[in-house]
Amino acid sequence: DAGITQSPRHKVTETGTPVTLRCHQTENHRYMYWYRQDPGHGLRLIHYSYGVKDTDKGEVSDGYSVSRSKTEDFLLTLESATSSQTSVYFCAISEPRRGGIQYFGAGTRLSVL
Amino acid sequence: GQQLNQSPQSMFIQEGEDVSMNCTSSSIFNTWLWYKQDPGEGPVLLIALYKAGELTSNGRLTAQFGITRKDSFLNISASIPSDVGIYFCAGMNYGGSQGNLIFGKGTKLSVKP
Repeated sequence: DAGITQSPRHKVTETGTPVTLRCHQTENHRYMYWYRQDPGHGLRLIHYSYGVKDTDKGEVSDGYSVSRSKTEDFLLTLESATSSQTSVYFCAISEPRRGGIQYFGAGTRLSVL
Repeated sequence: GQQLNQSPQSMFIQEGEDVSMNCTSSSIFNTWLWYKQDPGEGPVLLIALYKAGELTSNGRLTAQFGITRKDSFLNISASIPSDVGIYFCAGMNYGGSQGNLIFGKGTKLSVKP
């Protein structure tokens, strides 16, 4: 998993509760990403970060926020989870000086009941 | 936004057969990537292509960067059961700074022993 750890790996929560997913990297890559994967949609970008405290929105950012206070950690928060946010979430990292290729973590399976 | 059309969506083949899949885009890319995703895991990079017309192999896998820069192809020769999974193409415009990946929706490969 290219030095990427996602936690938790599985989570079940109730509608309306806040949820935070964590991505931790040991590669010192500058860029970090959060994707969601749903049947029929492939991988869709939620938010990404291009440095500490530097983040930007992706294709499906509504209902999600992110924070990056350290190079190695990128947090994804669902402020008030909804059933439509049931999905598998993947973190990825990349380094422009190494060709910009993204490497993925193992994913977090989130169920919102 | 940009979209990649990946085909076929799924394939059921006999062990030992060759496999071909492709991705087309309405816009050009300067980098094409192919990933494989095993069940319950994150995508893993198989092959990266950086030049139009480039043909690159990785074991039984061969990928080509289309001459128009709008398409790419992946071939798997002599398939084996562990080839089962979902194969994703991704296009990127990398120019020294990071470009975001655009993903195809994947080709699900099933191999009958």
